[in-house]
Amino acid sequence: GAGVSQSPSNKVTEKGKDVELRCDPISGHTALYWYRQSLGQGLEFLIYFQGNSAPDKSGLPSDRFSAERTGGSVSTLTIQRTQQEDSAVYLCASSLRPAGDTQYFGPGTRLTVL
Amino acid sequence: AQSVAQPEDQVNVAEGNPLTVKCTYSVSGNPYLFWYVQYPNRGLQFLLKYITGDNLVKGSYGFEAEFNKSQTSFHLKKPSALVSDSALYFCAVRDGGTALIFGKGTTLSVSS
Repeated sequence: GAGVSQSPSNKVTEKGKDVELRCDPISGHTALYWYRQSLGQGLEFLIYFQGNSAPDKSGLPSDRFSAERTGGSVSTLTIQRTQQEDSAVYLCASSLRPAGDTQYFGPGTRLTVL
Repeated sequence: AQSVAQPEDQVNVAEGNPLTVKCTYSVSGNPYLFWYVQYPNRGLQFLLKYITGDNLVKGSYGFEAEFNKSQTSFHLKKPSALVSDSALYFCAVRDGGTALIFGKGTTLSVSS
């Protein structure tokens, strides 16, 4: 079946602009995660959604980062007033259930802030 | 605090030889352990996981990993390496939380 999809695959923006990254999880998966992969920091957790529960935002690096998940499916990660240190690959993952379940990753969005 | 260590930045092995990619972890409860592989410009692909049960876990593409509680290790192994196994490998852990905590990754290079 279809895996996790993300769009765009690449995004180049200027410092100070806002960007939106989209994630379509695997159909039927209740849990959705955002991670960031950068050379200096490796793979970092950003935010987690589970069903209709309040999201776990503990990994968001600043209040410029926000995310929403509409209808328990598609999620959008928004970065406001982008900075050069936001340049990274943003990975989305989904799992059927949260605890102990396998997370399946999308191909990622490579964000470059000039 | 939870943590994962992959002590080797790079592992080099000749095709046909056995390979081991090392991982050690630190968690407060029972660990859920995972291995993922990443090919260039691709997302992470799931290889295998340990939740409970048999300490030897078999996964995709002929990979296996052994959970060792006393040594807090979860090393990835394959009896005979292929050139196509060359990639970046990540070990990850969860101890009942939601997010995965990843190691820094190990680059595996298999030479022909």
